[in-house]
This record gives sequence, C-alpha cells and structure tokens, in this order.
Amino acid sequence: DAGVTQSPTHLIKTRGQQVTLRCSPKSGHDTVSWYQQALGQGPQFIFQYYEEEERQRGNFPDRFSGHQFPNYSSELNVNALLLGDSALYLCASSVMADPANYGYTFGSGTRLTVV
Amino acid sequence: KNQVEQSPQSLIILEGKNCTLQCNYTVSPFSNLRWYKQDTGRGPVSLTIMTFSENTKSNGRYTATLDADTKQSSLHITASQLSDSASYICVVTPLSGGSYIPTFGRGTSLIVHP
Repeated sequence: DAGVTQSPTHLIKTRGQQVTLRCSPKSGHDTVSWYQQALGQGPQFIFQYYEEEERQRGNFPDRFSGHQFPNYSSELNVNALLLGDSALYLCASSVMADPANYGYTFGSGTRLTVV
Repeated sequence: KNQVEQSPQSLIILEGKNCTLQCNYTVSPFSNLRWYKQDTGRGPVSLTIMTFSENTKSNGRYTATLDADTKQSSLHITASQLSDSASYICVVTPLSGGSYIPTFGRGTSLIVHP
C-alpha cells in the first residue's frame, strides 16, 4: 500500500520561471492538500483539492494554482517564481468522508530552490 | 484566529535522557490533536493522535498528554536516542465551520547528543 508520493524530490529554478510539482495520494484517499514550509517554520496551508475542485485556500497569491485529476493525483503550479518561494512543498492526502482527518498522511516533500 | 504555540523553540539533550515538549492552542472546538515528527527535509510523520476526550496516548517511547480545559498538550520522550533528533510539530484539527484544515505549530527542534 503506497503512501503519498511526491515528485520531484529536489528542484532548482530561476526567478520568474514557472514550476509544477506533483503528488500521488495514498491509496484510498480522495483529497489532496498542499503546504509550503519555509526553513525553521511550520507548514502553511496553500489549498485543498477534492473532486477535481479547489475546496479551500490559504493566504497565498494567485501565482499559486493547482489541479486534481480523475485518479486523485494533484499538481501544484507556481508562476513568476520569487526568491521567497524557496521552501519545502508538502502534499498531504486524506479522505473527505473522514472530516476529522484521522488518516491525514504527508509525502516526503519537494525541496524547491529559487535562485 | 486559531493558533498553536509550541515551546521550547529548540532543545538539546544527552542521549538516554527524557524530555517534554509543550503545545498550547486556541483552536476550539477541535476534533483531534496530533504530534508529528519531522526529520530535516522530510515530510512529517504522525506519532500520536488524540481526540478531545482523550487524556493520554502512547507510541513506544513517545507519550502525549492532553488537557482540554487548559488547552495544553505535551509530548514526553523517554530514554532519548540519537534518531530522535528532529522537529516535533503539534497540529490541531478544528471541528467547526466546515473547515477541517489542521492548524500547525512551528515545531520544537530537538537535538540529541551522544
């Protein structure tokens, strides 16, 4: 039973470029949430996807967008990259029918460095 | 605004010693409180999860306690090992408003020295 899989593990981009990060949820999970974690900080909620729609969003600009596919996998896109976007990006999957998120599971993350 | 505050921010202990990490929260009502262990550059891994009606939960050398009246939780690590060096994050999931997005603390960085 595969856990949450994220790709790539590391990425280096230049300011102004665009990046796409990918996440495959845990088997049986239908909801994907994305987080940004700066060094030494706790994860910050970006948005959550369920049934291929963005359900909730945190305090992030429109440069951050996402998508969920019919197989529940998800992408996070960031346009016009800034140096401040350098962070560990985490994906967490869960089951919408489990609102208490008992099964909330994180991937290992993608380390994005913007230079 | 829902908040989760953790202390201390960082902690250094010797291998074999015990330690206790603290978490204060304002999230109310809440569904559950979870402690995660996060190794550097990796995703968080769940250690314990407690509902509002539970007082304590153990997972090996990790024991979490919860006082819903004072809105405090602690994570006690017994007989620490070098592999315990990591960040420990307290996370509270709310139970209202249709939003079940967990609120994260900033974490306590634990370093275990030989």
